[in-house]
Amino acid sequence: EIVLRQSPGTLSLPPGERATLSCRASQSVSSSHLAWYQQKPGQAPRLLIYATSSRATGIPDRFSGSGSGTDFTLTITRLEPEDFAVYYCQQYGSSPETFGQGTKVEVK
Amino acid sequence: EMQLVQSGPEVKLPGESLRISCQGSGYIFTFYWIGWVRQMPGKGLEWMGIFYPGDSDARYSPSLQGQVTMSADKSINTAYLQFNSLKASDTAIYYCAKSYAGLHAFDMWGQGTMVTVSP
Repeated sequence: EIVLRQSPGTLSLPPGERATLSCRASQSVSSSHLAWYQQKPGQAPRLLIYATSSRATGIPDRFSGSGSGTDFTLTITRLEPEDFAVYYCQQYGSSPETFGQGTKVEVK
Repeated sequence: EMQLVQSGPEVKLPGESLRISCQGSGYIFTFYWIGWVRQMPGKGLEWMGIFYPGDSDARYSPSLQGQVTMSADKSINTAYLQFNSLKASDTAIYYCAKSYAGLHAFDMWGQGTMVTVSP
């Protein structure tokens, strides 16, 4: 099973700042098989990024993904008030497909 | 409009069985995988398994195999998650989600079904 470790656990930033979230895999993940989700309290997750760097429909371009092998990154170039949430990475190239434990982005 | 609508909250006793549902609309149900994701109270997302309604291909997380069964009724565009013998540790929100194109990233999610197991 591929274990995904996200860091940091919590990221405290003011609106307008750049957020950089990390997802590290215990084994290599194909770049076609890495996704990022956003989840707000009381809501279902929402797909942000698939295939490492492709934005899902309707996702603003301040969200971007990058990486390869075992190291992947989600970047939010300029935090908007609605971006404060929990973010999860997911690998779907190897069964069982797995999620990271999440990074909470909170207002500083 | 594409959507997944899940069945309502459940309160069950330990040892009871349960089947929750997830009805898809606005897309061709048999063309896309349906995944099930568990979220225990205050915790992260846990991938439970994925099911292809077109041919009933199912893949389970090893940690849950034998405890749950995924299925679907294509005639009513509905996927199911069956629990055989509930435990208190099954208390969680259960989400169904639709795969994106040929990938298993989930681009559409149901609203979640809260399952509470308590004596």
